[in-house]
Amino acid sequence: EAEVAQSPRYKITEKSQAVAFWCDPISGHATLYWYRQILGQGPELLVQFQDESVVDDSQLPKDRFSAERLKGVDSTLKIQPAELGDSAMYLCASSFSPSGHQETQYFGPGTRLLVL
Amino acid sequence: GENVEQHPSTLSVQEGDSAVIKCTYSDSASNYFPWYKQELGKGPQLIIDIRSNVGEKKDQRIAVTLNKTAKHFSLHITETQPEDSAVYFCAASIPRDDKIIFGKGTRLHILP
Repeated sequence: EAEVAQSPRYKITEKSQAVAFWCDPISGHATLYWYRQILGQGPELLVQFQDESVVDDSQLPKDRFSAERLKGVDSTLKIQPAELGDSAMYLCASSFSPSGHQETQYFGPGTRLLVL
Repeated sequence: GENVEQHPSTLSVQEGDSAVIKCTYSDSASNYFPWYKQELGKGPQLIIDIRSNVGEKKDQRIAVTLNKTAKHFSLHITETQPEDSAVYFCAASIPRDDKIIFGKGTRLHILP
């Protein structure tokens, strides 16, 4: 069964350092999402891609966060510099959604980030 | 902004009994309602979803009901088993923004 892949699974870093997370969506899925999940909360959308284009990054703290999906397949989320409050689970999800219309989102296993 | 309220935040149920988790949503245009199960250290996994053109959907021990008038939907798990212990999230679509928003989750404990 096809799955969303994410790496690394765990990342410990010191504040002010740069970190990067990688996501490979299910093959053929046009829409890719990055979510942040704080412990005890539901996932919150950071950025949404349709193919290689950003369609929603309204909740992305752009002073320190960046995301790209250059060839419309895999994606990278970067934080520079990391702050203590960035400690969370970072989840990637994908959906088939060729038109961007709501379809089922499939999640990866997540990257748990701890900033010291 | 639009939101999804989920209750209860924690639920303990005796093994074999039923569990019910309830959600309400604010956007009357919402038309897609997925439920996710998240086990410790893992990403959310879709367990069932429902669209606004039906009022109920069932898959073995899991069922979801939708009341569009009242803007609420519920997850029902019957004959609960230890492996049902997890955090469950409801979500609702926001069509104008082409996104879904999640409730805060319910931690379900199945007691032996």
